[in-house]
Amino acid sequence: DAGVTQSPTHLIKTRGQQVTLRCSPKSGHDTVSWYQQALGQGPQFIFQYYEEEERQRGNFPDRFSGHQFPNYSSELNVNALLLGDSALYLCASSTDREFYGYTFGSGTRLTVV
Amino acid sequence: GIQVEQSPPDLILQEGANSTLRCNFSDSVNNLQWFHQNPWGQLINLFYIPSGTKQNGRLSATTVATERYSLLYISSSQTTDSGVYFCAVVTNDMRFGAGTRLTVKP
Repeated sequence: DAGVTQSPTHLIKTRGQQVTLRCSPKSGHDTVSWYQQALGQGPQFIFQYYEEEERQRGNFPDRFSGHQFPNYSSELNVNALLLGDSALYLCASSTDREFYGYTFGSGTRLTVV
Repeated sequence: GIQVEQSPPDLILQEGANSTLRCNFSDSVNNLQWFHQNPWGQLINLFYIPSGTKQNGRLSATTVATERYSLLYISSSQTTDSGVYFCAVVTNDMRFGAGTRLTVKP
């Protein structure tokens, strides 16, 4: 049973560029959440997608946007990258049908230079 | 929004020792999970425990939802237990505490 897969694992971008991160949820899960984890801190909630729509959003600017596809996979897009966007980006999946918590992927480590 | 506080922030143990990690939260929650983050950043789900007590090998967890806290017990610690332990509570979204960094020395 495949868990949550994220790609790429590492990424280096230049300030001002745009980036797209990808996530495939665990089999049987239909909800995808994205988190940003800065060095030495706990993960911070960015947003959650369900039925191809953004259902919840944390305190992140509009530069952060996302998408969910019919197969439940998801993308996180960040525009106009800032140095402060350097972080580990984590994707978590779950299902509303029978909630037993969230399963996390291994993350994408983004470095903005 | 809901506040999640974990204590202690750092913990250093000798191999074989026992420990208790605490998570306090400021409001009622639907669910609570404990995670272990390994050195590569992977968040490993330890327990999904909105209430009650669960055990898994050397680890056990107790959540007292009415008193808004949860405890994670690690017995006979091993060096492989090192890492950061997070509790996370679910209301409309999942909120994490700042974590407890555990170092187990041989």
